[in-house]
Amino acid sequence: QVQLVQSGSELKKPGASVKVSCKASGYTFNTYGVSWLRQAPGQRPEWMAWISTNDGDTTYAEKFQDRVTMTTDTSTSTVYMELRRLRSDDTAVYYCATDRGHEFWGQGTLVTVSS
Amino acid sequence: EVVLTQSPLSLRVTPGQAASISCRSSRSLVYRDGNTYLTWFHQRPGQSPRRLIYKVSDRDSGVPDRFSGRGSDSAFTLRISRVEAEDAGVYYCMQGTHWPETYGQGTKLEIK
Repeated sequence: QVQLVQSGSELKKPGASVKVSCKASGYTFNTYGVSWLRQAPGQRPEWMAWISTNDGDTTYAEKFQDRVTMTTDTSTSTVYMELRRLRSDDTAVYYCATDRGHEFWGQGTLVTVSS
Repeated sequence: EVVLTQSPLSLRVTPGQAASISCRSSRSLVYRDGNTYLTWFHQRPGQSPRRLIYKVSDRDSGVPDRFSGRGSDSAFTLRISRVEAEDAGVYYCMQGTHWPETYGQGTKLEIK
C-alpha cells in the first residue's frame, strides 16, 4: 500500500534552516508528484510547494518562493523540503502528500521555531 | 486567491442523525477541462488529513457510502447520512482548480 514516511520533529532557532524528508513506498516513485503543506496549530492546511518525481520540475507558492526548495532522490524514493530563514510563525506540522489531489499523506513533521 | 467559506464552523450531532457542511467559493471551480476540483478532507486530532471526496462527488476507496458530496460551480455540500462516533473531527474543503490550492477554514463535528 502507498506509504509516505516523514522524518522526525525538529527544533530550530529563528534564522536557521530545516530540511524535512518524505520517503515513499508501495508504488512506483514517479507515478505521483509530491506536494508539501503545513498546518499551524488550530489552522487550516496551507499548500507550500509541489515537485514532479519525473523530471524534478517544481512549483512554489508565492509566499514561500524565496525560502523553500524541494528536491528528490530517486534512488531512495525520497522527497526533501528545505525551508530557510525560519521565523517563529513557521512553527507548524509539515506534511507531504501525493501529487495535487492529496490522496495519500505522510504522518506529519512538527517543526518548532523558538529561541 | 480563491476564498472558500465553510458553514457551519461547528456542529454537534447525535449518532444516527444526518449532518451537512457547506463550502462556498469566491469563484467558479469549473476547470477548463470541464472537471471541478473540489475535495473534502477529514482530520482527527493529532492525525493527518484523510481525503474523503474528490471532484465534488467521487468517494475515495474505503470511505463509507454514508459520506456524499454534491454541488456545482461555487456551492458545494458534504453530507453524512448517519453520523457515527468515528466521524468526529474537523472537515475541510479544498479547491485545486485555481492556483494556488486553498482550503476552507474547517468545520468541527462533535458527537453528542
